[in-house]
This record gives sequence, structure tokens and C-alpha cells, in this order.
Amino acid sequence: KQEVTQIPAALSVPEGENLVLNCSFTDSAIYNLQWFRQDPGKGLTSLLLIQSSQREQTSGRLNASLDKSSGRSTLYIAASQPGDSATYLCAVGKTSGSRLTFGEGTQLTVNP
Amino acid sequence: ETGVTQTPRHLVMGMTNKKSLKCEQHLGHNAMYWYKQSAKKPLELMFVYNFKEQTENNSVPSRFSPECPNSSHLFLHLHTLQPEDSALYLCASSQGRGYETQYFGPGTRLLVL
Repeated sequence: KQEVTQIPAALSVPEGENLVLNCSFTDSAIYNLQWFRQDPGKGLTSLLLIQSSQREQTSGRLNASLDKSSGRSTLYIAASQPGDSATYLCAVGKTSGSRLTFGEGTQLTVNP
Repeated sequence: ETGVTQTPRHLVMGMTNKKSLKCEQHLGHNAMYWYKQSAKKPLELMFVYNFKEQTENNSVPSRFSPECPNSSHLFLHLHTLQPEDSALYLCASSQGRGYETQYFGPGTRLLVL
């Protein structure tokens, strides 16, 4: 059974700092990996999707990497802003079908 | 409206009530999903529908009954729920041609008294 772990559970940084969120998964037979953002009481917004054949994806100040063999992904946020404060969720899709397995998330607070 | 919408946004119900959650997607997708998000727990997949057919049921208790009348609408019928069923229920949709980005609705916050 796939298990996804996110470290740290919570992170508080001053504005402007670069930061890294970590995601690890136990079964490397994944189809892809997604990073989502969730604001309090709201649904999820997809940030980046990495296919299993890719090593990284970039969108603006966000960069996600994937090392399938070691079961790890990182989300790098450059020059953090208070508007980046949210919970960041990592989810892996299995090789076939449409099941997503989520981690518990990292709650990020960026202080002005 | 665009994207994925869910109604109601908040719901309080007693354990003997019957209620329904509604999800609608305006993205032309063919797959729809129900997820449960409880405090301090990862999102849990409940049901998956592809082209109106249920393709996954993640051992969900029968007090939760999904319905997918067409590719744009998904319902979750609730009856005789327990307090531990209180959670945020999220609907999502995707193209349905394999595995790709899922688009989520804002969720229904459910409280069972």
C-alpha cells in the first residue's frame, strides 16, 4: 500500500526566504506526482504535475523535482511571500487507474 | 460558472437526517471523484466515476451513497451518519483518459451532531 509522508508538518519563515518542502513515498511504481495548495476551508489548487519520466517541473517561483528511485519529491519556493501561506499537499498517482494517494501536508506560514 | 462547484458549502445534520451533496463540473471532463478530508488526516479517496460508471469504491460505508447521472454531475447521498463522519468533502474532476491533473471544488464542510 502506497504511503506518502510530508516533512515538515509545519513551517514558518520570514518573507523573502527560499524554502524547500519534502515529500516521500514508499512505492516507486508511480505514474505521476502532483503538488497542490490548499487555503483554509477551501478546495485544492493544482500547482505542478510531474510525470514519472520527468525529473522536474517549474512554474514561476515554484520548482518541483522528482526522484522516483529514491521515492522523493521536493517543492522549492523562491523568494517566499505572505500570499504563499497555505497548506501544501503532495499526491502520487499509481501506475494504472486514477487513484491519488495524498500526504498529510505541510502548513506554511510566511511572515511579513 | 467555471471549474468545479459544490453545494452546499456548509451542512449541519443530525444522525437520523438524510441529505445530499452536489458537485458540478464545467470543464468537459469525464472522470469525477469524491474525497474526504478529516482533521489531521490525509485526503482519502472515496469514489471514482469514469464516464458515469463507478470504477472505485474505497471501502466506503453504505451510509454514503454516490450517484453520477451524467459526466457533469456527481452526488453524495448521506443517511444515518455518525459524528466521526464530520469532515470536509471534496469533489474533483479530470479528463478521464488516464492519469492527469485533477481539479477540485471548494468542498462541503459537514458537521454531524
